[in-house]
Amino acid sequence: DAGVIQSPRHEVTEMGQEVTLRCKPISGHNSLFWYRQTMMRGLELLIYFNNNVPIDDSGMPEDRFSAKMPNASFSTLKIQPSEPRDSAVYFCASSLALGGVSHEQYFGPGTRLTVT
Amino acid sequence: AQKVTQAQTEISVVEKEDVTLDCVYETRDTTYYLFWYKQPPSGELVFLIRRNSFDEQNEISGRYSWNFQKSTSSFNFTITASQVVDSAVYFCALSEARAGGTSYGKLTFGQGTILTVHP
Repeated sequence: DAGVIQSPRHEVTEMGQEVTLRCKPISGHNSLFWYRQTMMRGLELLIYFNNNVPIDDSGMPEDRFSAKMPNASFSTLKIQPSEPRDSAVYFCASSLALGGVSHEQYFGPGTRLTVT
Repeated sequence: AQKVTQAQTEISVVEKEDVTLDCVYETRDTTYYLFWYKQPPSGELVFLIRRNSFDEQNEISGRYSWNFQKSTSSFNFTITASQVVDSAVYFCALSEARAGGTSYGKLTFGQGTILTVHP
């Protein structure tokens, strides 16, 4: 079975450029999460969706960050304009959330973003 | 507010030693779930286990075992006879608390414990 798919795996861009990260969740999962991981701040939840609807974007650092989930099988995280401090590994995760049951999240391989 | 504390930032052991990673959590919910994840040097986050708050039975999977104690709000993870391949960052996580018992699957993660197993 295919797990969570993220692309690209690595992205190097110059400051000021637009960056788009992509995620395909596991088929049948209805919750999708975007995380950022850095040495300084650890694993941070940026935003999450349930049934394609954004539930909580309070972790999005600033207006330069935006995320969409146009359908159940695709989500994007966009940074415009990018800055060097955005350099991090960005993870996408998906899970099945039903009623009061919290199922495990499955993580993608991550996108390592470097902004120079 | 939900909180997960992994007090051990780094642990270093020699191969074949047993090692226990501590996890203490805070929640007001009566129904919740606890998780452990492993992040090896390759970077991916790998799900290891999920336990619900009503099941306090210890779980064993090969060299891995988990001890859940509601009385102390702890969910500790023990690796028996550690191996070099166990070297990784280990994260403990707690499911969100939501009114009405619904869940979107959001997790609160601890800061992680870096485990290094030396040959």
